[in-house]
Amino acid sequence: EVQLVESGGGLVQPGRSLRLSCAASGFNFDDYGMHWVRQVPGKGLEWVSGIRGNSGGIGYAVSVKGRFTISRDNAKNSLYLQMNSLRAEDTALYYCAKGDSTSSGWFDAWGQGTLVTVSS
Amino acid sequence: DIVMTQSPDSLAVSLGERATINCKSSQSVLYSSNNKNYLTWYQQKPGQPPKLLIYWASTRASGVPDRFSGSGSGTDFTLTISSLQAEDVAVYYCQQYYTTPTFGQGTKVEIK
Repeated sequence: EVQLVESGGGLVQPGRSLRLSCAASGFNFDDYGMHWVRQVPGKGLEWVSGIRGNSGGIGYAVSVKGRFTISRDNAKNSLYLQMNSLRAEDTALYYCAKGDSTSSGWFDAWGQGTLVTVSS
Repeated sequence: DIVMTQSPDSLAVSLGERATINCKSSQSVLYSSNNKNYLTWYQQKPGQPPKLLIYWASTRASGVPDRFSGSGSGTDFTLTISSLQAEDVAVYYCQQYYTTPTFGQGTKVEIK
């Protein structure tokens, strides 16, 4: 069974940094692209960033480019999101999502999410 | 970015009746080289993460009941629940993956 468990969320002041982690199990982690998708509570979904299985391809939403960095450690079956220069509008539930087997761009498994609140 | 617009924002349907959700993209998500529509549908129940329902616009994901079906091509797509069950109460999102992924704003389905 695929499991994705996010951690690292919390309350942080504007301008500060936070690092999210996602522990994956139940599938061959190296073979799949992984993504971060966020959701303001009660609102819609926004793709944040994605990384290919071999870290050869990385993408970011315009809203976070230059501030967020995605990475992965295949030896630890883990995905990360380093978030710098955080803004109030980054407040959201951050989901770790597994990419599909063909790397086409949909998400076939999601974690429960970790909440990031940016506020002074 | 491709903008995805769903309609309606919410709908209430009687148990056993059909529910239809529309999704329109600001540009075509049909890739001509493979004739596939880069469009997927998710279901999100309260307090839960989204769940994949349909990909390639019309292919049901593993374990998804056959009362869920997807159709459409190019810029106009539809998710149909043929006979609404109580457990189908949720918000439904379309997403395109033709370019950088973007989602529709969601459609809330309730029981009438």
